[in-house]
Amino acid sequence: AQSVTQPDIHITVSEGASLELRCNYSYGATPYLFWYVQSPGQGLQLLLKYFSGDTLVQGIKGFEAEFKRSQSSFNLRKPSVHWSDAAEYFCAVAAANAGGTSYGKLTFGQGTILTVHP
Amino acid sequence: NAGVTQTPKFQVLKTGQSMTLQCAQDMNHEYMSWYRQDPGMGLRLIHYSVGAGITDQGEVPNGYNVSRSTTEDFPLRLLSAAPSQTSVYFCASSSLGTGRNTEAFFGQGTRLTVV
Repeated sequence: AQSVTQPDIHITVSEGASLELRCNYSYGATPYLFWYVQSPGQGLQLLLKYFSGDTLVQGIKGFEAEFKRSQSSFNLRKPSVHWSDAAEYFCAVAAANAGGTSYGKLTFGQGTILTVHP
Repeated sequence: NAGVTQTPKFQVLKTGQSMTLQCAQDMNHEYMSWYRQDPGMGLRLIHYSVGAGITDQGEVPNGYNVSRSTTEDFPLRLLSAAPSQTSVYFCASSSLGTGRNTEAFFGQGTRLTVV
């Protein structure tokens, strides 16, 4: 069974600083990997996703993530954080078979709360 | 462009009451699922469905029931509400397949309190 670990429960950065949120996954085959963001009281918005190919994935709002198979990681990065980035971030993995067909079931990490200081 | 619609947005129940959380999607997605979100635990899968008439249990199914009579609708039933079911519930849908089509779309959530 797949699993996802987000080691950092809470991260605080200053506005304009760089950001890296960590995500480690456990899955036997090549996974589908996602990062979602959730603002307080809101639903989940997809930031970016990895399926195959280029291991550096660009997303919305200036975010990017790098898939590293050797480290089973999919860390989220942003070069300069804005106050509006304060939210909770979730990494998720979806199972897929050898042909790349996704089963649709998402397993989420525990989430990382990002606080941005002015 | 509705996407995934959940109702109600808020609900307070008394212990032992039953209720149904509604979820509808208009994207013709085969896959639909229900998650519950609790602080520090991320989202945990309750039940899911890969098509009309087909449902299966997720990680935390006890106390919940689902059915899928149409592609569009996937209601979640609480049979006898307990305080432990106080949570925020999210419905999601996605298409089954390869690559970019497998993105999951989420509803806005239902905040349920059981007293």
